[in-house]
Amino acid sequence: DTEVTQTPKHLVMGMTNKKSLKCEQHMGHRAMYWYKQKAKKPPELMFVYSYEKLSINESVPSRFSPECPNSSLLNLHLHALQPEDSALYLCASSQEGTGQYFGPGTRLTVT
Amino acid sequence: AQSVTQPDIHITVSEGASLELRCNYSYGATPYLFWYVQSPGQGLQLLLKYFSGDTLVQGIKGFEAEFKRSQSSFNLRKPSVHWSDAAEYFCAVVQNTGGFKTIFGAGTRLFVKA
Repeated sequence: DTEVTQTPKHLVMGMTNKKSLKCEQHMGHRAMYWYKQKAKKPPELMFVYSYEKLSINESVPSRFSPECPNSSLLNLHLHALQPEDSALYLCASSQEGTGQYFGPGTRLTVT
Repeated sequence: AQSVTQPDIHITVSEGASLELRCNYSYGATPYLFWYVQSPGQGLQLLLKYFSGDTLVQGIKGFEAEFKRSQSSFNLRKPSVHWSDAAEYFCAVVQNTGGFKTIFGAGTRLFVKA
């Protein structure tokens, strides 16, 4: 199984809502990532978890809160987002630095 | 600081023609280099990777890339392009800063004409 799954595929939320994005992989990878991607731009790294511990936080606003409950799951909790946070959110996993497997993404729209 | 440059924002090739997408990197040590492809509205797919050893690496979908240390380049090639290859291509380098951070180039959009 070389798949990374993400739910939901699409999400529309208001600026006062709380929602969560979910990501799952069963490849035994010990590094997991969240990226934000705007149209016609490369992915921007948000967070890296290595062995279930947060190892990189790219100065992301606190309205984004990551969580890694176990080695297969990665969540991104969203609260009080702004319209400029609308983007495609991508999850990825890798075995250390060997190349990442990406999920299909969650298309987020903040109204 | 490490960086990746893809000089071409977009490229158009005819179906069946050969393709070369350019990538230059800036990295102090031997880099881990990657090419990814992204179709519209989709996630990224790893095409190939270079860590060390043979400087010509083969990937999926008939792609290959050549690492040239003297030119700090890692160009992607395909001998015969298919219409389904139309997509965005990203070159990337990984740096180990206590976690593995991938630095992406800006991307090259490939258009394929019949």
